[in-house]
Amino acid sequence: EAQVTQNPRYLITVTGKKLTVTCSQNMNHEYMSWYRQDPGLGLRQIYYSMNVEVTDKGDVPEGYKVSRKEKRNFPLILESPSPNQTSLYFCASRERVYNEQFFGPGTRLTVL
Amino acid sequence: KNEVEQSPQNLTAQEGEFITINCSYSVGISALHWLQQHPGGGIVSLFMLSSGKKKHGRLIATINIQEKHSSLHITASHPRDSAVYICAVRGGSNYKLTFGKGTLLTVNP
Repeated sequence: EAQVTQNPRYLITVTGKKLTVTCSQNMNHEYMSWYRQDPGLGLRQIYYSMNVEVTDKGDVPEGYKVSRKEKRNFPLILESPSPNQTSLYFCASRERVYNEQFFGPGTRLTVL
Repeated sequence: KNEVEQSPQNLTAQEGEFITINCSYSVGISALHWLQQHPGGGIVSLFMLSSGKKKHGRLIATINIQEKHSSLHITASHPRDSAVYICAVRGGSNYKLTFGKGTLLTVNP
């Protein structure tokens, strides 16, 4: 089944404790993105990747890192999480820039 | 930066009604997406369009590039259509998407 998977789905952590949210797609898509969704603000792009080893900042990249060492994986790294990074995070992929996006199920992160 | 405005923010309808959700943007785009997010959070892509009109089942999406406006129509609405509908636009050559804040649709039986 074609899908985008994210892990973990739910995470409660404390300020400053490094964490990684994994994202993987099995559709051989070139483009992958990370978004966060907050009440009243909607979805905002954090980082995106056009291919292996090619990444760029979205609208809200501060406090996040990404890497794209393999085509299928695009992990989101929070080196020192803070409470303002409490949010619902979505990973997405698409085959090319002009194709529809496929979203992962979301990761609900709470930073205490 | 593109500004994306959706209207209405909230919409309540009775089963069977015809629904229209609007999306306006401020800067020329290469494509516009309509997404659906059900309670529980999962997001599904409904349409991607750059001109004209697309139809899938009871859903119809239209776009007017000159007026920088798109509409999503739902015919014969059903309670299972209750969800948040999100409009997103992509600029010319970049890969970024800018999202509207969404329209919460509730269809009562």
